[in-house]
Amino acid sequence: GAGVSQSPRYKVAKRGQDVALRCDPISGHVSLFWYQQALGQGPEFLTYFQNEAQLDKSGLPSDRFFAERPEGSVSTLKIQRTQQEDSAVYLCASSLAAGNEQFFGPGTRLTVL
Amino acid sequence: DAKTTQPPSMDCAEGRAANLPCNHSTISGNEYVYWYRQIHSQGPQYIIHGLKNNETNEMASLIITEDRKSSTLILPHATLRDTAVYYCIVRVKTSSNTGKLIFGQGTTLQVKP
Repeated sequence: GAGVSQSPRYKVAKRGQDVALRCDPISGHVSLFWYQQALGQGPEFLTYFQNEAQLDKSGLPSDRFFAERPEGSVSTLKIQRTQQEDSAVYLCASSLAAGNEQFFGPGTRLTVL
Repeated sequence: DAKTTQPPSMDCAEGRAANLPCNHSTISGNEYVYWYRQIHSQGPQYIIHGLKNNETNEMASLIITEDRKSSTLILPHATLRDTAVYYCIVRVKTSSNTGKLIFGQGTTLQVKP
């Protein structure tokens, strides 16, 4: 399929561990977004890339969160020293350009024990 | 981006039209109305968007009032697979901003047999 893929789909981490979440956007999509969705809530914006440039990281909740997209394609969201409040579904979306419709992946469900 | 208000939940009988309202009384002249939906355990899915004219595609119709302060998403013949959370979002559609989506709580639509 040509959709957005994310891996792993599920991740369980012990408090204090580092995790890395991967996003493979649709080929050719310039824009890539990360969102965090807590249980029962709507997704909340974390960060935005245009190609390899991270143009907006205003939604990252702390300096423990770091995202990269070094070659303008695959992106990784890294969370250092995970805390229980980091438990959520992390969604990745891509679009042809910033103003176009966004296509979402299935998300990674992170549970921090 | 303007804030939207949606009812938290709605029911609809299978085969009937589902009409989902959204208030966006503070919408600006250059902001579009977008609708996404999220089926359980999946990422959000784009449905439709519009500026001021009514829009229709294979999934739904979007009716925007003349003053643009409210809109209605219409699913003409709801099926059980349309059971989901529906999000109404308003944002500027340009390539000069990030294009991030600001989700509210959405409306949980339950289609019943």
